[in-house]
Amino acid sequence: EPEVTQTPSHQVTQMGQEVILRCVPISNHLYFYWYRQILGQKVEFLVSFYNNEISEKSEIFDDQFSVERPDGSNFTLKIRSTKLEDSAMYFCASSAGTSGSLSDTQYFGPGTRLTVL
Amino acid sequence: GQNIDQPTEMTATEGAIVQINCTYQTSGFNGLFWYQQHAGEAPTFLSYNVLDGLEEKGRFSSFLSRSKGYSYLLLKELQMKDSASYLCAVISGGYNKLIFGAGTRLAVHP
Repeated sequence: EPEVTQTPSHQVTQMGQEVILRCVPISNHLYFYWYRQILGQKVEFLVSFYNNEISEKSEIFDDQFSVERPDGSNFTLKIRSTKLEDSAMYFCASSAGTSGSLSDTQYFGPGTRLTVL
Repeated sequence: GQNIDQPTEMTATEGAIVQINCTYQTSGFNGLFWYQQHAGEAPTFLSYNVLDGLEEKGRFSSFLSRSKGYSYLLLKELQMKDSASYLCAVISGGYNKLIFGAGTRLAVHP
């Protein structure tokens, strides 16, 4: 069964450093997303991406964040100048459509646990 | 504003039935999802409702009432492996932004 994959599974970085989190969405999906989950808290939407551009972003997704689809398979989240409060699990997700049907189902990758020291 | 409420914790006995409720108030509605999340893992899809009524899928069923802003997830014949958090999430907006509730942590005991 097709699945979303993410690398690395765990990233430790120093405050102020840049990190790139990588995702490979399900191959025939067209819509891509990043979410984050701070330990013990709810899953929060960061950004959605379609047709090589951002569709929507949350207040969390400020200028330190960027997303890119550098080739036909990868989808990346870059965090410039990481802060302590960026420590969280980051989930990538993808869906086939946005038509108000089951094709809207978002499938999540296993996540990257980011620890900022 | 956007608000999704579900109970924080529930306990149930192996073999029993449990119902997890979710109420929502969102600026838009294009469907409601239930996900299961084991500690330290990704949310996994359980069910989807966009029209009023009951959707059944094996041991799991989900109900939606759009007029009441209410959904529930029904788990039958509980197994120990069902111990997990259950997340209610609403699609709000045209690009399928998922808004999650805080999740209900279910503990199944023998």
